[in-house]
Amino acid sequence: DAKTTQPTSMDCAEGRAANLPCNHSTISGNEYVYWYRQIHSQGPQYIIHGLKNNETNEMASLIITEDRKSSTLILPHATLRDTAVYYCIVRVLGTYKYIFGTGTRLKVLA
Amino acid sequence: NAGVTQTPKFRVLKTGQSMTLLCAQDMNHEYMYWYRQDPGMGLRLIHYSVGEGTTAKGEVPDGYNVSRLKKQNFLLGLESAAPSQTSVYFCASSYVIRGRTDTQYFGPGTRLTVL
Repeated sequence: DAKTTQPTSMDCAEGRAANLPCNHSTISGNEYVYWYRQIHSQGPQYIIHGLKNNETNEMASLIITEDRKSSTLILPHATLRDTAVYYCIVRVLGTYKYIFGTGTRLKVLA
Repeated sequence: NAGVTQTPKFRVLKTGQSMTLLCAQDMNHEYMYWYRQDPGMGLRLIHYSVGEGTTAKGEVPDGYNVSRLKKQNFLLGLESAAPSQTSVYFCASSYVIRGRTDTQYFGPGTRLTVL
């Protein structure tokens, strides 16, 4: 499984876009990029995932570079409730194994 | 749908005591998982199950046992609790699409303290 590298922490002003980067330079061709978040010790919450095309849902957008070595999760209009630890995970679809790193602690400031 | 639920939410044990954590899901998912999360760290997989009656070891299985007697339930047992097992325990489940397991959905967690 590819390893991921994320900044330890980031701040974002409320109402602005939060851009969370993730480096996965050793990703394999069949590995997907997943994003989860964990709000104050609650269970991790699924946000979005993608293979090589950019993806968007009601929560966020996922931008994956053409070489797939990095990605960015975008929360378009961050609110205080988006304050959480965000995890970037790469995995082969169909395998059980999720490797959680230490994630990025995002703090949304009023 | 309640999704993934866990009981109890909190528990304090003395060293050597035993207990069972219950995970239930109402999404008809095939796969279920147990993770632990220690302070400041990511989640680590303890055991998982790919279907009723089957279980397998994850990254950190020592000191734990599991059972999956019903598709909707996954039990995690500690036979003789140790302080090193103080942690927050999360259960998750995932569905299968075209024979492959997909996105995992997590429960709210059980906070366990072993004195």
